[in-house]
Amino acid sequence: TQLLEQSPQFLSIQEGENLTVYCNSSSVFSSLQWYRQEPGEGPVLLVTVVTGGEVKKLKRLTFQFGDARKDSSLHITAAQTGDTGLYLCAGAKGYSTLTFGKGTMLLVSP
Amino acid sequence: DTEVTQTPKHLVMGMTNKKSLKCEQHMGHRAMYWYKQKAKKPPELMFVYSYEKLSINESVPSRFSPECPNSSLLNLHLHALQPEDSALYLCASSQHPTSGNEQFFGPGTRLTVL
Repeated sequence: TQLLEQSPQFLSIQEGENLTVYCNSSSVFSSLQWYRQEPGEGPVLLVTVVTGGEVKKLKRLTFQFGDARKDSSLHITAAQTGDTGLYLCAGAKGYSTLTFGKGTMLLVSP
Repeated sequence: DTEVTQTPKHLVMGMTNKKSLKCEQHMGHRAMYWYKQKAKKPPELMFVYSYEKLSINESVPSRFSPECPNSSLLNLHLHALQPEDSALYLCASSQHPTSGNEQFFGPGTRLTVL
């Protein structure tokens, strides 16, 4: 059973476009983390959201945690080629483990 | 220092070899993790160490043997691996082994089993 549904699985866009990645679950999470991973490298933590309804901004990236703490979204404004990578959401619930979504592979072309 | 380091970066081994992967963090984190990641898939949890004690083993085959010599180091000993064990092995750490703590990942070891 996939507890965290992430969509879309693949996204190919042109530089300058906007995009949104979604992470949905029927379960409540105590927090949710977003990571970006480049090929052959480890995931890099972008943000952690904890409070229902929370919105966090990181330059051109906006992260939102749903009011019920079951879903989250990542919006990128004016995408750049450097944004290319695998975006992973991961929910924390229970003792020390993270539940990962399947990931969204983003390709931004010049 | 928010860095988790892993060595080696790449490893090629035969099915009869014994090798070890190493992970180190100096953030004072008390939880450390091993993950296995196949191409285009999310990381899969293998082991969790909490205060240098093994707290979670996700039914990993015994050919993978973790070790935590101290609070900063985590090893993964490999023996008699199979080609399907080829993957990116990631180490991570978090401040405390409780729900909601952020995990910081190392760059990974790309393992190829021939």
